Amino acid sequence: DVKVTQSSRYLVKRTGEKVFLECVQDMDHENMFWYRQDPGLGLRLIYFSYDVKMKEKGDIPEGYSVSREKKERFSLILESASTNQTSMYLCASSFPPDSYGYTFGSGTRLTVV
Amino acid sequence: RKEVEQDPGPFNVPEGATVAFNCTYSNSASQSFFWYRQDCRKEPKLLMSVYSSGNEDGRFTAQLNRASQYISLLIRDSKLSDSATYLCVVNIVEGTYKYIFGTGTRLKVLA
Repeated sequence: DVKVTQSSRYLVKRTGEKVFLECVQDMDHENMFWYRQDPGLGLRLIYFSYDVKMKEKGDIPEGYSVSREKKERFSLILESASTNQTSMYLCASSFPPDSYGYTFGSGTRLTVV
Repeated sequence: RKEVEQDPGPFNVPEGATVAFNCTYSNSASQSFFWYRQDCRKEPKLLMSVYSSGNEDGRFTAQLNRASQYISLLIRDSKLSDSATYLCVVNIVEGTYKYIFGTGTRLKVLA
């Protein structure tokens, strides 16, 4: 089974802190994604990557950046955390051309105070 | 208009009942369709892909209607363990592949 591992299940950070969310997958998937999920809004794509050192903006990239230095690892960075970034963050990976669906990590519930 | 729309529910049904959800999508270029299941405070998990000819997996049946641009999920003989949120997902190609998630339909199966 594909395993997508997110480094933290729960995280509490202060406003203005730089926050790193790590995601590692073990099935050699090319594609990796970061979503946030909020009640009533569903899953919204922040950034995605189809290859090492490659990144593309999703629908809501403002306030975020990403890093993909190795194929198995995709990091989401909140440059200066704000309270409106309190959310559930979900990492996913897939094998192109995404016809087989995504595998999600278990999520990181981030609270910014 | 949202690209993928679902009735948020909740659908409250007794054990053993048959329940169906629909999901409409707006982009006619949509290529792949999926149903995901999400339990409370957990990640979404792929339930089944939806094929043009329709497909069945045990108690679950998925249908695609391209002309009317909707997909459906039918659950027969509902179990308590089926209680979850069901997300409709549509894959479109706009330069690159893009998944669009519905906001989900919540199902509660009652004893």
